[in-house]
Order: sequence, then C-alpha cells, then structure tokens
Amino acid sequence: NAGVTQTPKFRILKIGQSMTLQCAQDMNHNYMYWYRQDPGMGLKLIYYSVGAGITDKGEVPNGYNVSRSTTEDFPLRLELAAPSQTSVYFCASRESGGMNTEAFFGQGTRLTVV
Amino acid sequence: DAKTTQPPSMDCAEGRAANLPCNHSTISGNEYVYWYRQIHSQGPQYIIHGLKNNETNEMASLIITEDRKSSTLILPHATLRDTAVYYCIVRVRSGTSYGKLTFGQGTILTVHP
Repeated sequence: NAGVTQTPKFRILKIGQSMTLQCAQDMNHNYMYWYRQDPGMGLKLIYYSVGAGITDKGEVPNGYNVSRSTTEDFPLRLELAAPSQTSVYFCASRESGGMNTEAFFGQGTRLTVV
Repeated sequence: DAKTTQPPSMDCAEGRAANLPCNHSTISGNEYVYWYRQIHSQGPQYIIHGLKNNETNEMASLIITEDRKSSTLILPHATLRDTAVYYCIVRVRSGTSYGKLTFGQGTILTVHP
C-alpha cells in the first residue's frame, strides 16, 4: 500500500492563478481531509469528506473547493491564489466508524503564492 | 472538542524517558485523548490514544489521570529520531465528529545526544 499520496510536493503560484492539489489513498478509507499548516502553527481543517459525493467545510474553507467523485481521490482546488494561501497542505484519510482508528497523513504539498 | 494545553518545548537526553504533559481540564466523558507527532514538517503520525485507562503500544505509553483532566505521553527510551512536534488532541466520541482533528501548537521535543 502506498498510503496517502499527495502531488505535487512543491509549487509556486502567482497571485490570481489557480491550481489543484491532488490527494489519493489506496486504503479504501471513506473519510478524507484537507488541512493547512502555517509556519509554527498547528494544522487547520479546510474541508473533509465522509464518502464519495459528500463533502463539508472545515474551519478555514474560504478560497478553496473540493470534490469527491471516487473513494480514492480528494482533490483540493484553489481558484484565485492569494498570498494568504501560502502554506503547507496535508491530506489525510481514515476508516469510517468507531474511535479505534487512526488518521493517515500524506507528506504534504508546500505552496508559495507570490 | 475540548481544548488542550501543552508546554511549547521540552528537552530530553537520548536514552532517557521523555514525559510530555497535556492538560485537558474541560474534557467530557465522551472524549478520547489522542497523540500525534510531526517530524520535521512531514505529515503527522499517529502515536496512541485512550479514554480513561492507561495505554501502551510499541511506540509509547499514555497515562491518563483518574479525573481525566490531564495526561502524559511517555517515550520510554528517547532517540534522536523522536525529535518532533507532539500534539495532544481531544476528540469527541460521537459519530458526527467524523474523525476531525483539532490541532494546537503542540510541544517541540528535542532529544539531545
């Protein structure tokens, strides 16, 4: 199993450009998440999904969109990049149901908006 | 989810036990305590979790006080590779939480040779 795979690892965007951060998991997990981490801070939840076709906002959703057409993939879309979106983005997944399951995180995408 | 308080940083000598405290005085009966760590800006890694009993796995031990208002993560023999940011997270048991995690700033543990 590859676990949670994020692409790209690094990206530089100009203000106003758009891009999609890719996230894929091969563990057949229903729950998937997108977090962002600013320097020196903890992770903040952007969006999450509890299954294909179902998404919901997290703590900091403004400026982002998501979709979940398959169980495996959960892309994060930035439509009009702003400097405030410079951050490291982490995707995670976990099994649904119960408390005895852990979240698995990808290695992150480091995004800089200039 | 209940708020947690952790010291911003701690040091530990290699080979010694690292004891990382976490205060969660507002925890409610249906909330679990989880610990994750993040090594050098990699994705966070699950360590351990518990409700009220002490727990141990191959990575660490978790000691939860009887009133559940605080807990301690113990790395029994810290190595240089344990240098990381450690996050204590309290998460509600309800299914409507959908496994969402609320991260604070964590404790930066530095293990010295």
